[in-house]
Amino acid sequence: DTGVSQDPRHKITKRGQNVTFRCDPISEHNRLYWYRQTLGQGPEFLTYFQNEAQLEKSRLLSDRFSAERPKGSFSTLEIQRTEQGDSAMYLCASSSGSFDEQYFGPGTRLTVT
Amino acid sequence: SQQGEEDPQALSIQEGENATMNCSYKTSINNLQWYRQNSGRGLVHLILIRSNEREKHSGRLRVTLDTSKKSSSLLITASRAADTASYFCATDDGGYNKLIFGAGTRLAVHP
Repeated sequence: DTGVSQDPRHKITKRGQNVTFRCDPISEHNRLYWYRQTLGQGPEFLTYFQNEAQLEKSRLLSDRFSAERPKGSFSTLEIQRTEQGDSAMYLCASSSGSFDEQYFGPGTRLTVT
Repeated sequence: SQQGEEDPQALSIQEGENATMNCSYKTSINNLQWYRQNSGRGLVHLILIRSNEREKHSGRLRVTLDTSKKSSSLLITASRAADTASYFCATDDGGYNKLIFGAGTRLAVHP
């Protein structure tokens, strides 16, 4: 399968714990995006990488959130000291160019209890 | 805040009927994309239409774009039960770094 993959698919954690998600983009895509989606809403942009450089971050991305893309390949999104409000679907997407299609992975559903 | 707004919020039709969903947005764009999402799953890319295009087809899908009205429509012809999903339009904001989504249209196609 050559699509975008995400791991894990589901994560249940207790409030205050740290969690880390991984995204593997389509191999030839140099652009990688993270979005968050809550129930009944469309995805909201979190952050964007071009190769290994993180070029834009949303105001939604508080200090508890950090994302990396070492070597411009896979990316990780870490949430520290999780809160119940962090419960959402975290989606990763990749694209090959600025104005090209963004292809999404299956998402990681986070539940904070 | 969300750029796009889909209309209607929910649509219920019978198999074989056509389904039309509309999307309005606020700022100038480079392109507009439509996605489908089955319940609790990831988004599937359907079609991208660029700002200099007015209409695009892909199989049973027809997308139109009116940049003067800042609106787009997605038509699904001869709908099937498998088309049951949420449909989202997404635009850039004239930049190139992110997509901005509406809240989506929930389509139910009944056998």
